Amino acid sequence: NAGVTQTPKFQVLKTGQSMTLQCAQDMNHEYMSWYRQDPGMGLRLIHYSVGAGITDQGEVPNGYNVSRSTTEDFPLRLLSAAPSQTSVYFCASKSRDIISPLHFGNGTRLTVT
Amino acid sequence: AQSVTQLGSHVSVSEGALVLLRCNYSSSVPPYLFWYVQYPNQGLQLLLKYTSAATLVKGINGFEAEFKKSETSFHLTKPSAHMSDAAEYFCAVIASGGYQKVTFGIGTKLQVIP
Repeated sequence: NAGVTQTPKFQVLKTGQSMTLQCAQDMNHEYMSWYRQDPGMGLRLIHYSVGAGITDQGEVPNGYNVSRSTTEDFPLRLLSAAPSQTSVYFCASKSRDIISPLHFGNGTRLTVT
Repeated sequence: AQSVTQLGSHVSVSEGALVLLRCNYSSSVPPYLFWYVQYPNQGLQLLLKYTSAATLVKGINGFEAEFKKSETSFHLTKPSAHMSDAAEYFCAVIASGGYQKVTFGIGTKLQVIP
């Protein structure tokens, strides 16, 4: 039972480079989301999706793109990395049931130099 | 818009002492409230959730939380702290009618002193 799988676990980028953080879930969840975690700021929602082909912006979307071509996958793209994007990124999914909990991956620690 | 405020970014307790982590919510509609725990180098996992079925909610690892509408609070407690409780705890809210946006507090890091 894999749950939510994020890759890579660690990444170092130079300013201006691009990369994609991968997220996959095997629970057939409609809802998927990306959060970033920074000290003293908790988790902030970047983008979310309520189903294949549907995405929307969260609290801090600037500098990030997402797409949802399948139910299982929800990649997060950084087109031109900036030092301000140094953070720990978490992907999470949940079912449509409002009281169902979020299921989190183990995170990707990204450093932009 | 719904939000939660966690008072105290760091809390220290002695092993065996009461754990009290505070969370106050702000929501224009009846909220659904959650507590999550994060152990080092891991993602968050659910501790417990309030769904209006009962005001006192019991979760995993001996934790419980009480929903108090008059105080707009959902504080997390545990009678006796264990070393293994050292982690970061997050309060979260979803406004009813919108399952897609889960808003988290800033987190409280719990230190347990032997």
